[in-house]
Amino acid sequence: DIQMTQSPSSLSASVGDRVTITCRASQGIRNDLGWYQQKPGKAPERLIYAASSLQSGVPSRFSGNRSGTEFTLTISSLQPEDFATYYCLQHNSYPWTFGQGTKVEIK
Amino acid sequence: EVQLVQSGAEVKKPGESLKISCQGSGYSFTSYWIGWVRQMPGKGLEWMGIIFPGDSDTRYSPSFQGHVTISADKSITTAYLQWRSLQASDTAMYYCARLLYSSGWSFDYWGQGTLVTVSS
Repeated sequence: DIQMTQSPSSLSASVGDRVTITCRASQGIRNDLGWYQQKPGKAPERLIYAASSLQSGVPSRFSGNRSGTEFTLTISSLQPEDFATYYCLQHNSYPWTFGQGTKVEIK
Repeated sequence: EVQLVQSGAEVKKPGESLKISCQGSGYSFTSYWIGWVRQMPGKGLEWMGIIFPGDSDTRYSPSFQGHVTISADKSITTAYLQWRSLQASDTAMYYCARLLYSSGWSFDYWGQGTLVTVSS
């Protein structure tokens, strides 16, 4: 199985901060990765697909990037509504696997 | 409007069976894969498996294969997640989600979740 190592597991940041979350795959997965946001008590929502394509309606402050087997989700200027937990998901090979999640909290 | 509506919360005893559902509407149900995702209390997301309702082709995570069954009834545009014998460790929120392929796969629409509680 492909392991997705997501870091950090949590972070504290202030409104306006730039935030970067990383997922590292245990082997090459091309661009077969998406990012999801989950708020407490809610279902996840898609933010990014194919490593760097922004879901329609998602603010442009969110961006995704890939360098080899390392994938990053960046929030350029954190907004109050961005405090949530973020997950990556690889769909390169079965079983698909999520990262462990990153909880973004208010500093 | 695409919608996935899941069945309501369940409270069961260990050893009991259960089938929860996910009804799709607003799109061609037989043309999109549907997936199931588990979230144990306070924990992260886990990919359980997917089904293509058009022909019931199914893929399971080894972590769940043999313990759950994923199925679909295209006549009523509904996917199912089923247990023959529940365990306390099955206590979790279960989400269904539609898979879309656009330069890559992703879950674009999600159900509201079904909370399953297994307790003696």
